[in-house]
Amino acid sequence: EPEVTQTPSHQVTQMGQEVILRCVPISNHLYFYWYRQILGQKVEFLVSFYNNEISEKSEIFDDQFSVERPDGSNFTLKIRSTKLEDSAMYFCASSEGDRATYEQYFGPGTRLTVT
Amino acid sequence: AQTVTQSQPEMSVQEAETVTLSCTYDTSESDYYLFWYKQPPSRQMILVIRQEAYKQQNATENRFSVNFQKAAKSFSLKISDSQLGDAAMYFCAYRSAEIGRDDKIIFGKGTRLHILP
Repeated sequence: EPEVTQTPSHQVTQMGQEVILRCVPISNHLYFYWYRQILGQKVEFLVSFYNNEISEKSEIFDDQFSVERPDGSNFTLKIRSTKLEDSAMYFCASSEGDRATYEQYFGPGTRLTVT
Repeated sequence: AQTVTQSQPEMSVQEAETVTLSCTYDTSESDYYLFWYKQPPSRQMILVIRQEAYKQQNATENRFSVNFQKAAKSFSLKISDSQLGDAAMYFCAYRSAEIGRDDKIIFGKGTRLHILP
């Protein structure tokens, strides 16, 4: 069964460093998402992406964050200058369509630790 | 704005027994979906069950069923014959189905379910 994959599974970085989290969505999916889960808290929406453009972003998704689909398979989340509070689990998701009839399939997550 | 509330941070149930996890939500929309996601220790988010708001019949998936009360904006999850593998964090979630609205998923804070052998 097709699945969303994410690399790395765990990333440790120093405050102020740039990190890129990578996701490979399911191949025929067109809509892509990033969510974040700070340890012990709820999962929060960051951004949605379609047709090489951001469709929607939350207030969390400030200028330090960017997303890109550099090729036909990868979808990346870049944090330009990491802060301690960026430590969280980051989930990528993909979907065939943007209506709620289409399930969003989640990847296994990348645990980001900022020291 | 839509909100999802799970008032039970933790619950425990004996193996083979039945447990119900509660969830309430708030929305002014009439067309939406509700979900229960399971997050085991591996942290993978797994869709357990989903309910379309316009369907009156409660969704069922094997041992998992929901009690959807649209007027009360309540969406509880019942797990029958609990198994050790059901131990996880369970998130209730909402997604708009109205055309032109956001397609993000809004999650509750979660309920950690312990299964007692």
